[in-house]
Amino acid sequence: SQQGEEDPQALSIQEGENATMNCSYKTSINNLQWYRQNSGRGLVHLILIRSNEREKHSGRLRVTLDTSKKSSSLLITASRAADTASYFCATDAMTGANSKLTFGKGITLSVRP
Amino acid sequence: KAGVTQTPRYLIKTRGQQVTLSCSPISGHRSVSWYQQTPGQGLQFLFEYFSETQRNKGNFPGRFSGRQFSNSRSEMNVSTLELGDSALYLCASSAQGARNIQYFGAGTRLSVL
Repeated sequence: SQQGEEDPQALSIQEGENATMNCSYKTSINNLQWYRQNSGRGLVHLILIRSNEREKHSGRLRVTLDTSKKSSSLLITASRAADTASYFCATDAMTGANSKLTFGKGITLSVRP
Repeated sequence: KAGVTQTPRYLIKTRGQQVTLSCSPISGHRSVSWYQQTPGQGLQFLFEYFSETQRNKGNFPGRFSGRQFSNSRSEMNVSTLELGDSALYLCASSAQGARNIQYFGAGTRLSVL
């Protein structure tokens, strides 16, 4: 099963509104990352938060991490039509030196102009 | 720097055939990971190569194989294609490994008829 699971599966908002997306995971992690994917394209890295960090900002993005609840949230403020995409969380589980990223199934965000 | 390049972008094959996909990582990146993306299963890790060695492997049958060359370019091969192999195959490179920030190519869309 997927390590990270995003919630909701789909989100539709008006331009200018904030979008909040959540990710839950099962095992202890080294870090958690968020990626964006435009339709049929590759993923683009947005932000990485380490297990000893609680909050991180990058432009209009704000990510929080609660390791006690094994959850993370991605907030996009003042959304734009260009933010329409799928968003994925990816976790790096603490399973050894050669671990990998495990991706959730993604959240489809639609921003209406 | 040029990004991750995957070729070809689109492929149509029939059941039973084999296919080889190519990936050129970002210059200087020694880690190349491959992922399969389908609507039902999401993004699933296939394998990671680092300095010409397979360092990690996902839960895929032996029909899926890969290799990495001394210049870090990687190829992925699928033999005896099945209808269920139809997917977007994504390659990602990283400076430090599969647990770190991944830089994705645009993908190869494989359709098996």
